[in-house]
Amino acid sequence: ETGVTQSPTHLIKTRGQQVTLRCSSQSGHNTVSWYQQALGQGPQFIFQYYREEENGRGNFPPRFSGLQFPNYSSELNVNALELDDSALYLCASSIDGDQPQHFGDGTRLSIL
Amino acid sequence: AQSVSQHNHHVILSEAASLELGCNYSYGGTVNLFWYVQYPGQHLQLLLKYFSGDPLVKGIKGFEAEFIKSKFSFNLRKPSVQWSDTAEYFCAVGLSGSARQLTFGSGTQLTVLP
Repeated sequence: ETGVTQSPTHLIKTRGQQVTLRCSSQSGHNTVSWYQQALGQGPQFIFQYYREEENGRGNFPPRFSGLQFPNYSSELNVNALELDDSALYLCASSIDGDQPQHFGDGTRLSIL
Repeated sequence: AQSVSQHNHHVILSEAASLELGCNYSYGGTVNLFWYVQYPGQHLQLLLKYFSGDPLVKGIKGFEAEFIKSKFSFNLRKPSVQWSDTAEYFCAVGLSGSARQLTFGSGTQLTVLP
């Protein structure tokens, strides 16, 4: 079975720029959740998408936005990047929002 | 808001020693409980989960965890660790309602010395 895949692996941006991160969910999974993992911390929930609709959001500002496509792949968009956005961004997929969630390797985003 | 506390930031053990990692959560409702492991350079992997029933759950690689409802705890144990258990361990809580996001603890780095 194909696991969760994320791209790119690493990304370097400067303050004020915009970034798009991509995630392909595990085969058969229709729910995608995004998490931000800062250095030395546990992952923090950003939002979840189920059947192309946002299905829950954590404590992140509106400049963090997402999309889910009919094939259940997903994008995370971040506008007006700030230094504190430097982190590992994790995508996790599941079936119908049920737990447990299965995680990808993440995208390491560095803001200069 | 729910929160998860992992008491130990870094644990160092010798091979064959016993392991117990603490995890406490604060939430008054029904929760699902998880332990994830992140080996160096790899993605988060599920070690074990508790949804309901027997509070002692067994996971992969000889790990087990015990849910104590009265203490809001879900501690991870292994009787005898191996060098290959060196990794970061995360406790996570998931609500059993519709918005089923996970809330993670800050993680415990386990180093097993050969």
